[in-house]
Amino acid sequence: EVQLVESGGGLVQPGGSLRLSCAASGFIVSNNYMSWVRQAPGKGLEWVADIYSDGSTYYADSVQGRFTISRDNSKNTLYLQMNSLRPEDTAVYYCARDFAGLSGYYHYHYMDVWGKGTTVTVSS
Amino acid sequence: SFELTQPPSVSVSPGQTASITCSGDKLGDEFAYWYQQKPGQSPVLVIYQDSKRPSGIPDRFSGSNSGDTATLTISGTQAVDEADYYCQTWDNTIHVVFGGGTKLTVL
Repeated sequence: EVQLVESGGGLVQPGGSLRLSCAASGFIVSNNYMSWVRQAPGKGLEWVADIYSDGSTYYADSVQGRFTISRDNSKNTLYLQMNSLRPEDTAVYYCARDFAGLSGYYHYHYMDVWGKGTTVTVSS
Repeated sequence: SFELTQPPSVSVSPGQTASITCSGDKLGDEFAYWYQQKPGQSPVLVIYQDSKRPSGIPDRFSGSNSGDTATLTISGTQAVDEADYYCQTWDNTIHVVFGGGTKLTVL
């Protein structure tokens, strides 16, 4: 069964750091594109970061320079290192498989597998 | 920055057709995707590549995308379809972007 399980969330003070993990089963993380998506309380979905199978990484402007997406191939696990945290980073953080490819001339990218999420609260 | 605009809410009577729009500049030039999210749950993909349904998604869900607007249509809406719906697209500069979400109420 294809599954993603996030962990590592918690309460952290502004300016602090946290590392989220996402353990995958049923597929190989390094062969896929992977994403982090967050959802602030009562708000919509916000894309945070992507890591492609070739190791390329991409970030939303709101987290560029503060967050780092990475993976451990031996553990089949995705990570999100979050530094210089702000209250506005408070959210449920989901990891997702970014199912990507080419259809004719068009690229496709969509999240076909989601974890249950882990909650990050940034507050003093 | 690129934005996708959705109506905050849509209401529909059981058995009727619900349409949820998603607007963005030249959205039709890229694929659109739709996710359903029920309270306390993770999002679920309901439409990919404009109009395709993943396995297990009822055929009452359909999608289209042209010009500046993508539309999710739910025919014969059921109470179980009450949820938040998000559109999403991708391009080489913005990467992934989500719409603000639409709360579908089945009255």
